Amino acid sequence: AQSVTQPDIHITVSEGASLELRCNYSYGATPYLFWYVQSPGQGLQLLLKYFSGDTLVQGIKGFEAEFKRSQSSFNLRKPSVHWSDAAEYFCAVGGNSGYSTLTFGKGTMLLVSP
Amino acid sequence: GAGVSQSPSNKVTEKGKDVELRCDPISGHTALYWYRQSLGQGLEFLIYFQGNSAPDKSGLPSDRFSAERTGGSVSTLTIQRTQQEDSAVYLCASSLSRQQETQYFGPGTRLLVL
Repeated sequence: AQSVTQPDIHITVSEGASLELRCNYSYGATPYLFWYVQSPGQGLQLLLKYFSGDTLVQGIKGFEAEFKRSQSSFNLRKPSVHWSDAAEYFCAVGGNSGYSTLTFGKGTMLLVSP
Repeated sequence: GAGVSQSPSNKVTEKGKDVELRCDPISGHTALYWYRQSLGQGLEFLIYFQGNSAPDKSGLPSDRFSAERTGGSVSTLTIQRTQQEDSAVYLCASSLSRQQETQYFGPGTRLLVL
């Protein structure tokens, strides 16, 4: 069965500092990987996705993520955090076999301090 | 174009009552998904529709939950005899096709069962 672990429930980062959110997955074949962001009271917005090819993926709002197969990880990074980045971030894994259900991690809440 | 829309945005009901939640997917998207997001939990898959195929109901937590999709477009999630543990945000998503395409999420319906 596929699963996603986001080991950090909360992270606090100073504005302007760099950010890395961790995501580890379990999947029996080549995974499709996603990062979504959810602002309070909002739905989920796709930040970036990895299907194949270059393992460093660029997304919106200055975010990037790197797929590391050997570590089963897909960590999200941003070089300089803005106060508007405060939100909850979800990593998700899906398969390329035609079974399209995504499995989500429990999320990491990002707090940005002045 | 318009995104995924859901109605109502908020629903308060009494224990034991039935509720219907509606989802309008993005035009042209043949795949539609329902998820439940409970406090402190990640997103829990409920049900998946693809075109005219039989839906994947493997995530429905009990037989009080059902969903239908009319005309391959609008979907309704029905919860019968609601319980307090049904209180959650119910999210709908759609994607272009059965293959692992990006899922686009609606804003959700926040359900509170008193």
